[in-house]
Amino acid sequence: LAKTTQPISMDSYEGQEVNITCSHNNIATNDYITWYQQFPSQGPRFIIQGYKTKVTNEVASLFIPADRKSSTLSLPRVSLSDTAVYYCLVGDMDSSYKLIFGSGTRLLVRP
Amino acid sequence: AAGVIQSPRHLIKEKRETATLKCYPIPRHDTVYWYQQGPGQDPQFLISFYEKMQSDKGSIPDRFSAQQFSDYHSELNMSSLELGDSALYFCASSLSRLYNEQFFGPGTRLTVL
Repeated sequence: LAKTTQPISMDSYEGQEVNITCSHNNIATNDYITWYQQFPSQGPRFIIQGYKTKVTNEVASLFIPADRKSSTLSLPRVSLSDTAVYYCLVGDMDSSYKLIFGSGTRLLVRP
Repeated sequence: AAGVIQSPRHLIKEKRETATLKCYPIPRHDTVYWYQQGPGQDPQFLISFYEKMQSDKGSIPDRFSAQQFSDYHSELNMSSLELGDSALYFCASSLSRLYNEQFFGPGTRLTVL
């Protein structure tokens, strides 16, 4: 399974755009990139998933360069309620029944 | 919308006791996953089931066992509990066995004294 590396923590202010980059140098051809958000004592929540280029939904955007060795989660205009841990995961769309969580990024949004 | 249901939400046990955690997936979801999250740690995958068959296995101790029933609910059975088993246990469900969006339940907080 491809290993992911993310910053341990990030600080931001309300209204700013936050970009969290994840490195996955050993990503395989069948691997998809998925981001989850987790609040304290709650289960992780799916944010976005992509394979290449750019994916956007109502919550976030995911940018994946052509070599797919990294990806960037972009959160537009964050609010205090976006303070959470964000996990980048990589998994095989054709065979994986599980999520392998690495060390996520603790995002703190300040007023 | 219906979510994943887990019971109980809190459980306190003594060392060497047994515990059973239950998970009721979102209706029509056929795949169930179990994760363990210790204090200050990241979630760790334990085991998953697709259509009532074990589909993948992670770092689940031999003292633990799980199954998925005909109504798709799942139970995680834990025996000879140890202090280190104290953790949040999350169940998640998804629509298929593929690497797809998983919907997590609220978790069961197990405390072993």
